[in-house]
Amino acid sequence: GEDVEQSLFLSVREGDSSVINCTYTDSSSTYLYWYKQEPGAGLQLLTYIFSNMDMKQDQRLTVLLNKKDKHLSLRIADTQTGDSAIYFCAESMEAAGNKLTFGGGTRVLVKP
Amino acid sequence: EPEVTQTPSHQVTQMGQEVILRCVPISNHLYFYWYRQILGQKVEFLVSFYNNEISEKSEIFDDQFSVERPDGSNFTLKIRSTKLEDSAMYFCASSVWGASGNQPQHFGDGTRLSIL
Repeated sequence: GEDVEQSLFLSVREGDSSVINCTYTDSSSTYLYWYKQEPGAGLQLLTYIFSNMDMKQDQRLTVLLNKKDKHLSLRIADTQTGDSAIYFCAESMEAAGNKLTFGGGTRVLVKP
Repeated sequence: EPEVTQTPSHQVTQMGQEVILRCVPISNHLYFYWYRQILGQKVEFLVSFYNNEISEKSEIFDDQFSVERPDGSNFTLKIRSTKLEDSAMYFCASSVWGASGNQPQHFGDGTRLSIL
């Protein structure tokens, strides 16, 4: 079955770049997503990439997809204290009703 | 920006009681989903719904669970006889179909369900 894995925790200094990594097992993924969850809040869609793309940039966010290694990363440039949150990687497959399979989330702590 | 709205934000229920969680998806969205997150665990898919039918459901979504779109705006999740292990955060999501297929799912803030 599908499985998505992430590292648990990342600490970064304000102004530095953060890189959050994710691996997945199912090569038939259609889309791969990054969601952000702040304390007490829901899942906010940050960005997503179609499985036939290698890279997507959206302001401070850069998503890299290595389909051969089934590896997805999210780079946040110039990390701010407001970026402190849990970041979830997720994959979807059209063949499976577009259900999302989530990783366990990476808690990012931005230190001033 | 349009958003998915869930009510209530927190529901406390006695074990064995029925509970209904409510969601108002984004108005032009046609695909609806429920997920849950037990404390400390991954977000898990429960069910997807389109055109008044369940399109996919997980093993978690057993006979105790049901979904309904009772009118043009609400989407509900009912748990018939709650168990302690149903305690979790329940998220509703919706999406729209675009030129390149199903578009990203947008999530509500969740309902925290506590079973006593």
